[in-house]
Amino acid sequence: GENVEQHPSTLSVQEGDSAVIKCTYSDSASNYFPWYKQELGKRPQLIIDIRSNVGEKKDQRIAVTLNKTAKHFSLHITETQPEDSAVYFCAPNSGGYQKVTFGIGTKLQVIP
Amino acid sequence: KAGVTQTPRYLIKTRGQQVTLSCSPISGHRSVSWYQQTPGQGLQFLFEYFSETQRNKGNFPGRFSGRQFSNSRSEMNVSTLELGDSALYLCASSLGALEEKLFFGSGTQLSVL
Repeated sequence: GENVEQHPSTLSVQEGDSAVIKCTYSDSASNYFPWYKQELGKRPQLIIDIRSNVGEKKDQRIAVTLNKTAKHFSLHITETQPEDSAVYFCAPNSGGYQKVTFGIGTKLQVIP
Repeated sequence: KAGVTQTPRYLIKTRGQQVTLSCSPISGHRSVSWYQQTPGQGLQFLFEYFSETQRNKGNFPGRFSGRQFSNSRSEMNVSTLELGDSALYLCASSLGALEEKLFFGSGTQLSVL
């Protein structure tokens, strides 16, 4: 099965600073790399995803970068705001009949 | 378009009982997957259904089971409840493959006393 490691487990940043969360996976067949955000008491929601034929994708203040050779992908949040405070999960997978393995989650706290 | 709906929102059961949770996916979505979320273990995959067939199963005991109906609605059942089954149970739907975006429901918070 897929081994997924997510670092750091907690992250505190000052408002306006950048935050980076890294996800390392083991299955070389993984071809879909999403990040989910879960605010306290709410459901996880997809915030950005990338496929293996793309190295980077941006959506306003968030971006995802992929290094398939090293088997890791990262979530980048720039100009952080208090509403970015949440737990972020990665979930690399190859689809098909493979089960989805989520990272343990990163709790991001943005200090005003 | 209505989102993923899970019922009930909260459940309190005692050890040894059984429980059934329900999940209605987004209209047109044929895949439903279930996850157990606990503070220490994060999100753990239970199983996934597509067109009434279980395609994937996680590493949970046989007390955890599920099914999917022809309208794509899904149920999961936990028999002989244990204290350790207390968790938030989330379901997610997608168009048809796990490598696609997952849309989560709000979850069912199960407490086993």
